[in-house]
Amino acid sequence: QLQVQESGPGRVIPSETLSLTCAVFGGSVRTDTYYWGWIRQPPGKGLEWIGTIYYNGATQFNPSLRSRVSMSVDTSRNQFSLKLTSVTAADTAIYYCATEGRTLAVTSSWGRGTLVTVSS
Amino acid sequence: QLVVTQSPSASASLGASVKLTCTLTSGHTSYDIAWHQQQPQKGPRFLMRLNNDGSHNRGDGIPDRFSGSSSGAERYLFISSLQSEDEADYYCQAWGTGTLRMFGGGTKLTVL
Repeated sequence: QLQVQESGPGRVIPSETLSLTCAVFGGSVRTDTYYWGWIRQPPGKGLEWIGTIYYNGATQFNPSLRSRVSMSVDTSRNQFSLKLTSVTAADTAIYYCATEGRTLAVTSSWGRGTLVTVSS
Repeated sequence: QLVVTQSPSASASLGASVKLTCTLTSGHTSYDIAWHQQQPQKGPRFLMRLNNDGSHNRGDGIPDRFSGSSSGAERYLFISSLQSEDEADYYCQAWGTGTLRMFGGGTKLTVL
């Protein structure tokens, strides 16, 4: 089963860009078997879908974040990435990456998450 | 716009069964969903993928006490023989066309 692991800075300055990567282990990011997702959870709140990307670069983003979000797949490093621009304190959250099996037979999985705090 | 609705809370007794409900907005009622569990102070865990015809596939290591079904715009998660470790937040995630997704607000399950 695929495993994924988030990495990136634990603190970001307000108005700057949050950048995270998700390494994929046990398989290739260049596969049509999975979608790759980013989800976040502000302290004490529920899960919020940020966006999902397919190996061919197809993406969709949460309408509430669409103007600030971009995602990409890096096949040379077997990872996918998230960028969120113009961050504020409201973007403070645990950020998770996840695998999503494209068909019913393929299960999904979550990374352990990484806490990102927006603060000067 | 895709909106996913869940009741904020539910409760059931130890050893009993419980049904959690997830409702998809009109125009999006054919979508598959995924159920995820988040125990206190832990990260989310994938429970199952559930199709609009009721077929489902549990994640690795998920016991068959967890099952799902579908009816129209509603998707259900059934948990039987409730155990204390089932006390958690349960999230429904709709799978729209292509890469479109959306979470419900989650249901906090209390095991009495």
